[in-house]
Amino acid sequence: EVQLVESGGGLVQPGGSLRLSCAASGFIFSSFEMNWVRQAPGKGLEWIAYISSSGFTTYYEDSVKGRFTISRDNAKNSLYLQMNSLRAEDTALYYCVRGEKILYDWGQGTLVTVSS
Amino acid sequence: IMMTQSPATLSLSPGERATLSCRASQSVGSNVVWYQQKPGQAPRLLIYGASTRATGIPVRFSGSGSGTEFILTIRSLQPEDFAVYYCQQFNDWLPLTFGGGTKVEIK
Repeated sequence: EVQLVESGGGLVQPGGSLRLSCAASGFIFSSFEMNWVRQAPGKGLEWIAYISSSGFTTYYEDSVKGRFTISRDNAKNSLYLQMNSLRAEDTALYYCVRGEKILYDWGQGTLVTVSS
Repeated sequence: IMMTQSPATLSLSPGERATLSCRASQSVGSNVVWYQQKPGQAPRLLIYGASTRATGIPVRFSGSGSGTEFILTIRSLQPEDFAVYYCQQFNDWLPLTFGGGTKVEIK
């Protein structure tokens, strides 16, 4: 069974940083592309970052480009999202998601709240 | 590519048929996916390639359409089907873009 468990969310002040982690199990992590998708409270889904299976290729949604960095450690079956220069509008539940174009499996999410 | 879903809310009774629409701002072929999200839960993959049910999805869920117009049909709503449904395109990759969602609520 595929499991994706996010951690690292919390309350942070505007301008601050957080590092999210996602522990993957139940599949060959190194063979799959991964994404981060977020959902603001009461709102819809927003894709924000992609990483290839090798980790060599990454893409970002425009609003987070230059502030967020997606990375992975295939030896540890882990996905990461380094978030810098956080803004109030980054407040959301952040999901770790397996897949390239079709988002097959989702974690339960970790909540990031940006507020002073 | 913008994805627009309608209606925003659909109020139906158990046993009724639900018809959810998703429109793309330009042709996306059959490169559309549908997800279901229940309160407090992560989204779940329902349909991909516009019409192929994902593993374990009941046959009462069906998808159709191509180009710019897509439909998700739920034949005979069950209590567990009341949720929010999102469409997503991957024809123009990346960014992946989602519709705003349709909430199917109990009438």
